[in-house]
Amino acid sequence: DAKTTQPPSMDCAEGRAANLPCNHSTISGNEYVYWYRQIHSQGPQYIIHGLKNNETNEMASLIITEDRKSSTLILPHATLRDTAVYYCIVRVKTGANSKLTFGKGITLSVRP
Amino acid sequence: AAGVIQSPRHLIKEKRETATLKCYPIPRHDTVYWYQQGPGQDPQFLISFYEKMQSDKGSIPDRFSAQQFSDYHSELNMSSLELGDSALYFCASSSREDTQYFGPGTRLTVL
Repeated sequence: DAKTTQPPSMDCAEGRAANLPCNHSTISGNEYVYWYRQIHSQGPQYIIHGLKNNETNEMASLIITEDRKSSTLILPHATLRDTAVYYCIVRVKTGANSKLTFGKGITLSVRP
Repeated sequence: AAGVIQSPRHLIKEKRETATLKCYPIPRHDTVYWYQQGPGQDPQFLISFYEKMQSDKGSIPDRFSAQQFSDYHSELNMSSLELGDSALYFCASSSREDTQYFGPGTRLTVL
């Protein structure tokens, strides 16, 4: 699986958008970008994933650059409950190598 | 919506004892993954099963074994427990190895 690079931490004000960057410059054509978050030792929570098009769901938006070497997860209106470690993971969708390889992630702190 | 169920949620064992962790996947999910998260660490993949066959293996100690049963639930068996096995153990399930959804985890403490 391709490695990802994320800043170690960032913070944002409650109610503002949180933009979490991720670099994955060695991503392969069949690899998807997945985002998970982990809130204080709870099970990782799936947020969103994409291949090359931008994606949006009820939780977040995922913006993938045209060359697919980087992406940004956007939480449009961050709340205190969004404080968590966010993991950007690149993986093939199916097959023997479909495990998730967690890196260090980015710790997002939402301040009141 | 139904989620992944793990039991027990907490387990305390002595060194050299054995432990069995259970995972019940989301209904109609056929793939199960096990991850270990040590204190202050990120989750690390242990092993996975697709349609009751082992599909991938990570850094799982030889003292650990796992299987997936006909009803798709999975069990992680851990023998000769060591202090370093103290960790959170997460199970995730998916449909045909697609998006993985995690359970709440089992916290294992080895004394």
